[in-house]
Amino acid sequence: ETGVTQTPRHLVMGMTNKKSLKCEQHLGHNAMYWYKQSAKKPLELMFVYNFKEQTENNSVPSRFSPECPNSSHLFLHLHTLQPEDSALYLCASSLAGGRDEQYFGPGTRLTVT
Amino acid sequence: QKEVEQNSGPLSVPEGAIASLNCTYSDRGSQSFFWYRQYSGKSPELIMSIYSNGDKEDGRFTAQLNKASQYVSLLIRDSQPSDSATYLCAVATNTDKLIFGTGTRLQVFP
Repeated sequence: ETGVTQTPRHLVMGMTNKKSLKCEQHLGHNAMYWYKQSAKKPLELMFVYNFKEQTENNSVPSRFSPECPNSSHLFLHLHTLQPEDSALYLCASSLAGGRDEQYFGPGTRLTVT
Repeated sequence: QKEVEQNSGPLSVPEGAIASLNCTYSDRGSQSFFWYRQYSGKSPELIMSIYSNGDKEDGRFTAQLNKASQYVSLLIRDSQPSDSATYLCAVATNTDKLIFGTGTRLQVFP
């Protein structure tokens, strides 16, 4: 595997379900990010982890819970989501901080029914 | 005022022409600037980064930065139909957050 991978690629879940998104980077980077992309809106930064420590939580509702066990893996745990949470969720990584080039995974297309 | 502004387009150019994509930003302390290409249904792909004033060329792509005017642009020479995509401008603020514009949709017609 190379670059940034994400699983699953597509996810349909009900509002009462609990699911997790997984991201793995094979670039030797130290910073990882979760973004949300909705139609007609710019990419929204959700969370930032630098050397496994969360350095940014962009006022994200608590129904989204990130986890970063090491610099290569990032999870987004989802529970009791709303239909407006349906979007493309993108993981990215960079060497260190936000000024470095960020590389994106293929994304998870999430639909909340 | 939006932090990073782009014209949503679509920008339509004929094959072989130069496509010019523009972006303005509001944070004067910004130091890093990026252009991403995003095909429909796909994730953003980094195509250019620029950090200092002036031009930076990579193949058919040229990024131009003018910090005094808070303006960054991307020129695509010899445009091809395969260049048709949405181009996202991203700016790293002085708090190390990467802020994206809404993107400009480019259409290259044969």
